[in-house]
Amino acid sequence: DAMVIQNPRYQVTQFGKPVTLSCSQTLNHNVMYWYQQKSSQAPKLLFHYYDKDFNNEADTPDNFQSRRPNTSFCFLDIRSPGLGDAAMYLCATSRDGTGGSPLHFGNGTRLTVT
Amino acid sequence: KNQVEQSPQSLIILEGKNCTLQCNYTVSPFSNLRWYKQDTGRGPVSLTIMTFSENTKSNGRYTATLDADTKQSSLHITASQLSDSASYICVVSSGGSYIPTFGRGTSLIVHP
Repeated sequence: DAMVIQNPRYQVTQFGKPVTLSCSQTLNHNVMYWYQQKSSQAPKLLFHYYDKDFNNEADTPDNFQSRRPNTSFCFLDIRSPGLGDAAMYLCATSRDGTGGSPLHFGNGTRLTVT
Repeated sequence: KNQVEQSPQSLIILEGKNCTLQCNYTVSPFSNLRWYKQDTGRGPVSLTIMTFSENTKSNGRYTATLDADTKQSSLHITASQLSDSASYICVVSSGGSYIPTFGRGTSLIVHP
C-alpha cells in the first residue's frame, strides 16, 4: 500500500545523457517536492509544486527541470547529468504544505552517473 | 536564516542501551518540529510531531521533547533494537511556509 512511489529505484546514466525520474502518489496531496540527498547530508530542496504552481529554489541548477502533468504524477528531468549530480533523489508530498501536514516520502531513486 | 543543527553526527550503541539525540533550531516563526527516521536506502518516515505548546511526546520506545524557549529538541530511544539503526532527521516547519528546514541527521548504529 505504498503511497508515494518513485521509479526507478536505481538509475544509471552516462555523463551528459538526459534522464527522467518519476514520482506518483495515491494520497491526492496538493504539494509535491523534489529533494536531492547526498551521503550524510540533509535533503536539499530542488523545487516544489503547490497544485500546478511551480516553485523553483534559487540555487537549483538550470540543468534540473520538473513537470507535474496532474495531481498524481511529478517528474524530475536532468538534462545533462554531471558527476556531481549523483545522489539520492527523494520525492515527497504534503496534504497542504502547512507544518501540520507531514511530508510523505517515497523510497527515492539512487542516481549514478558514469 | 532558518537553520537546524543536530548532534551527534553519528552514534554507535549496543543493543538494549538507551540514547538521546539532540536538535537545535533557529527557525522563525516556529510552527512545529518533527523527527523522521530514515532507514538506509529508504525515504524518511515521520516519528513524532511537536508543536509549540507540547513538551513531551512518545511513540513507543521513542520519546521526543521540546523546549521552545531554548529552541531545543531531543529524541530519546529506550531499549534500542538493531532495527533502530538508521538516520534520524530533525525537521522544523515555519508558520506560513511550505518549506520545512532539515537538519543533517544523526546516524545511529546499534550493535548486537
